[in-house]
Amino acid sequence: SAVISQKPSRDICQRGTSLTIQCQVDSQVTMMFWYRQQPGQSLTLIATANQGSEATYESGFVIDKFPISRPNLTFSTLTVSNMSPEDSSIYLCSGKGFNTGELFFGEGSRLTVL
Amino acid sequence: GNSVTQMEGPVTLSEEAFLTINCTYTATGYPSLFWYVQYPGEGLQLLLKATKADDKGSNKGFEATYRKETTSFHLEKGSVQVSDSAVYFCALKPGNQFYFGTGTSLTVIP
Repeated sequence: SAVISQKPSRDICQRGTSLTIQCQVDSQVTMMFWYRQQPGQSLTLIATANQGSEATYESGFVIDKFPISRPNLTFSTLTVSNMSPEDSSIYLCSGKGFNTGELFFGEGSRLTVL
Repeated sequence: GNSVTQMEGPVTLSEEAFLTINCTYTATGYPSLFWYVQYPGEGLQLLLKATKADDKGSNKGFEATYRKETTSFHLEKGSVQVSDSAVYFCALKPGNQFYFGTGTSLTVIP
């Protein structure tokens, strides 16, 4: 199985600022994803992080707001840009294992925007 | 399209009670089915999975059977413990992408 570490685990930010969340996987995964989990709701896929190229965004999410990088197979970042209170959420990094195809998750980054 | 419909919570049970959390799905093709659990303050962890019809996934006393005829994957446990208090997510994977249900919060009281 893969162990996924995220940081920061939580942060409180001011409106209009940007925050970058880092995600490190301890072993190689085939694909990496970023999800958003708003209070009391399910997971919403933001984008698939592609190694060495632009991420693939889901409907409703754009690169200017959520730029994503994946410079190698085990590391990715998500930036939440020009934040507003509506961006307050838990952001989860996940990776799909090579052999099992299951999805592994980080502990999440809880973001509060004032 | 692909979607998961999960029993709404919250669910509150006494210790040693029987648990069922319903999950039904719509999908193209032959998806794999999963249950994930999220303990307070933690990320999601895989609880169990089934990859084809009639498969039964099991772990930590939890079970779920892949029922193609009823497109269901209900989660069951015969005797819940306080430590099972968590949010449970049903998910399906028809291809490379995962689709999650809205989650069911379970609280087990002593």
